[in-house]
Amino acid sequence: EVQLVESGGGLVHPGGSLRLSCAASGFTFSDYYMDWVRQAPGKGLEWVARTRNKPHSYTTEYAASVKGRFTISRDDSKKSLYLQMNSLKTEDTAMYYCVRGAYCSGGRCPGPFDIWGQGTMVIASS
Amino acid sequence: DIQMTQSPSALSACVGDTVIITCRASQSISNELAWYQQKPGKAPNLLISEASNLESGVPSRFRGSGSGTEFTLTISSLQPDDFATYYCQQYSIYSLTFGPGTKVDVK
Repeated sequence: EVQLVESGGGLVHPGGSLRLSCAASGFTFSDYYMDWVRQAPGKGLEWVARTRNKPHSYTTEYAASVKGRFTISRDDSKKSLYLQMNSLKTEDTAMYYCVRGAYCSGGRCPGPFDIWGQGTMVIASS
Repeated sequence: DIQMTQSPSALSACVGDTVIITCRASQSISNELAWYQQKPGKAPNLLISEASNLESGVPSRFRGSGSGTEFTLTISSLQPDDFATYYCQQYSIYSLTFGPGTKVDVK
């Protein structure tokens, strides 16, 4: 079964840090771009960050709202995705979803988010 | 960034109705558009990719169309399981962006 399982969410004070993890199973993790998408309570979906795979040198992209504060990374040997979140703000409070992006073996690889985890909740509050 | 808009933001419908949701992009995204369904407390589920490609296991009453800047999601013969919020998303140009969502509830 294809599955993504997030962990690491919790309550943190503004200005603090948190590291989210995502364990993938049931597919060849290294073949795919991987992303984080978040959803604030009662709000819509917001893409957060992407890591491409080895054919694209593991390059990354970020939403403007998190650039410089969040770092996405992956460990293909552990089939795991991570999101290091620093300098957290109250507006970062959200459910964070680990999502599978496009399959990519090289070249331009546009694609939707076809597999979603169940999410992990991050609350930045004093 | 590409801005995505959806209309309507909410609608009320009956079982058996046909529902049409429109999604517009602020610049051309070719057919690099997806539609997702989300139910309360659950992760979104991919329904359609490449504007009109129905994902495996998605009922054929869902249909996507459009290209460039204007897209539609049509749900024919609405079923009880279809009451949910629907989002479009462009994956053509960074920053990847979602529409604000359309909530479909029971009339």
